[in-house]
Amino acid sequence: AQSVAQPEDQVNVAEGNPLTVKCTYSVSGNPYLFWYVQYPNRGLQFLLKYITGDNLVKGSYGFEAEFNKSQTSFHLKKPSALVSDYALYFCAVRDTGTYKYIFGTGTRLKVLA
Amino acid sequence: DTGVSQNPRHKITKRGQNVTFRCDPISEHNRLYWYRQTLGQGPEFLTYFQNEAQLEKSRLLSDRFSAERPKGSFSTLEIQRTEQGDSAMYLCASSLAGVQPQHFGDGTRLSIL
Repeated sequence: AQSVAQPEDQVNVAEGNPLTVKCTYSVSGNPYLFWYVQYPNRGLQFLLKYITGDNLVKGSYGFEAEFNKSQTSFHLKKPSALVSDYALYFCAVRDTGTYKYIFGTGTRLKVLA
Repeated sequence: DTGVSQNPRHKITKRGQNVTFRCDPISEHNRLYWYRQTLGQGPEFLTYFQNEAQLEKSRLLSDRFSAERPKGSFSTLEIQRTEQGDSAMYLCASSLAGVQPQHFGDGTRLSIL
């Protein structure tokens, strides 16, 4: 069965510092991986996806993610955090052969000015 | 704005009543998803439509839940005989075919008295 783990409920980072939000996954086939962001009382917004190819994926708002097959990880990164990055971040996976997406429990990112 | 629209935004009802939510996807999107999100959790997959066909349904979805997409456009999610545990945010998302990003609505928050 496919699953996603986000080991940190919250990540604190100082404004201007690099940030990393962790995600690991488990699927039986090749994974399709996604990151979404959620602001209060809103739906989720797409940041980036990995299907195949280059392990470093660039997305919206300066975010990027690195796919690591051996560690089954897909960590979200940004070189320099902004106060406006404060939000809830979700990793999601879809296994090949299914239309079902599995989301992690989310990581709240707090950026300290 | 031509994003995904969900109505109502908030529904308060008494235990045992039936409720129906509506989702209007982005017009050219043939894929539509329903999710349930509770506090501190990620979206939980409920069901998936491709055009008017319901192709996948979570085993967690009890017989009290039903979803339709009669003409492959808007969709409705009905919950019969609501229970306290049904209190949650219900999210709808749509996408194009293939491994494409899902576009989420802002959700319908269901509160059971």
